[in-house]
Amino acid sequence: ELKVEQNPLFLSMQEGKNYTIYCNYSTTSDRLYWYRQDPGKSLESLFVLLSNGAVKQEGRLMASLDTKARLSTLHITAAVHDLSATYFCAVEFRSGYALNFGKGTSLLVTP
Amino acid sequence: NAGVTQTPKFQVLKTGQSMTLQCAQDMNHNSMYWYRQDPGMGLRLIYYSASEGTTDKGEVPNGYNVSRLNKREFSLRLESAAPSQTSVYFCASSSSFFTDTQYFGPGTRLTVL
Repeated sequence: ELKVEQNPLFLSMQEGKNYTIYCNYSTTSDRLYWYRQDPGKSLESLFVLLSNGAVKQEGRLMASLDTKARLSTLHITAAVHDLSATYFCAVEFRSGYALNFGKGTSLLVTP
Repeated sequence: NAGVTQTPKFQVLKTGQSMTLQCAQDMNHNSMYWYRQDPGMGLRLIYYSASEGTTDKGEVPNGYNVSRLNKREFSLRLESAAPSQTSVYFCASSSSFFTDTQYFGPGTRLTVL
């Protein structure tokens, strides 16, 4: 069964702190995506990770992929309120096949 | 360049009514998708169109039909709406079939009473 599991599903953190969101998936994958969704809004692409060991960074967010462990992480450095949103990982299990989304991690950054 | 547009933004239907959700993209993308998003469920693929002239079922196709009208437009039809179809519907497009980042529309919030 194809599964994509994110944890935690809810995360409340203080500004300035660091934290990591985890995305585990059940079978071999060719690529993994991270998306951001603000409340009531659409999804915005953050990162595409294409190979084992891939690391991408944008501002305070850094994503990595370990295909052997079937794990991707989204690391947040020195969180700010603007990062409050829901973050989804999505996995492409076979090239040219469907994307499977995790349930999302709802992040709230408080002062 | 508007990206992916969807109409309507909001809709309320009664059980048994029909409606069509419209989606258009101006990025010259080949592939288009329809997803539904329910609380705590992430996004689930309803139908997709890998290229103009082709459509295929996704994970949750029951109760829906689609039409790829041309390269730009991909519509989703509910023939006889049911309360279980209350959801937020997102259209997306990508340059290549699932091998490229998908760009999402703003969504349609549908309530079926």
